[in-house]
Amino acid sequence: KAGVTQTPRYLIKTRGQQVTLSCSPISGHRSVSWYQQTPGQGLQFLFEYFSETQRNKGNFPGRFSGRQFSNSRSEMNVSTLELGDSALYLCASSFESNTEAFFGQGTRLTVV
Amino acid sequence: KNEVEQSPQNLTAQEGEFITINCSYSVGISALHWLQQHPGGGIVSLFMLSSGKKKHGRLIATINIQEKHSSLHITASHPRDSAVYICAVYDMGAQKLVFGQGTRLTINP
Repeated sequence: KAGVTQTPRYLIKTRGQQVTLSCSPISGHRSVSWYQQTPGQGLQFLFEYFSETQRNKGNFPGRFSGRQFSNSRSEMNVSTLELGDSALYLCASSFESNTEAFFGQGTRLTVV
Repeated sequence: KNEVEQSPQNLTAQEGEFITINCSYSVGISALHWLQQHPGGGIVSLFMLSSGKKKHGRLIATINIQEKHSSLHITASHPRDSAVYICAVYDMGAQKLVFGQGTRLTINP
């Protein structure tokens, strides 16, 4: 059974640009959550999607958005990138919101 | 004060030692997760528990719901156990996972 796949693994962008990250969940999982990890703030919840609907959103500015497709694959988008957006972005899939979560390897975003 | 507090933040031990990492939380939860993160970033789920105790190989996790406290134990520690261990709770009110800051464990041969 394939795990959670995140692409790309590494990304370098310039301030002001936008970026799209992708997450393919484990087959059969309908919940996909996104997290930002930085040395200073640790892991923080961005948002959760379930059956193509955003169920919950963390305390991040509107520049951070996401969506989920009918096959449960999810994308997150960050517009007008800032230096502080440099982080490891992780997604996790689960069958339901409060069941065991399986994490991807993450996308390391560097904004220069 | 963080909703999830882990201790210690850093732990160095010799191979073979018994390791304990603690996690305390202040919110109402429906489940607690112990996660392992190796250099490079990938996170592996070790345990998800809502009561009692679970054991997997050399790893044991316990939770006391009344005291809002959980512990992760590693018996006969090995250098390959070196990683960051993260406690996360599913906050029932906020309906999201809330994470501790992690414990960096180093096991020396």
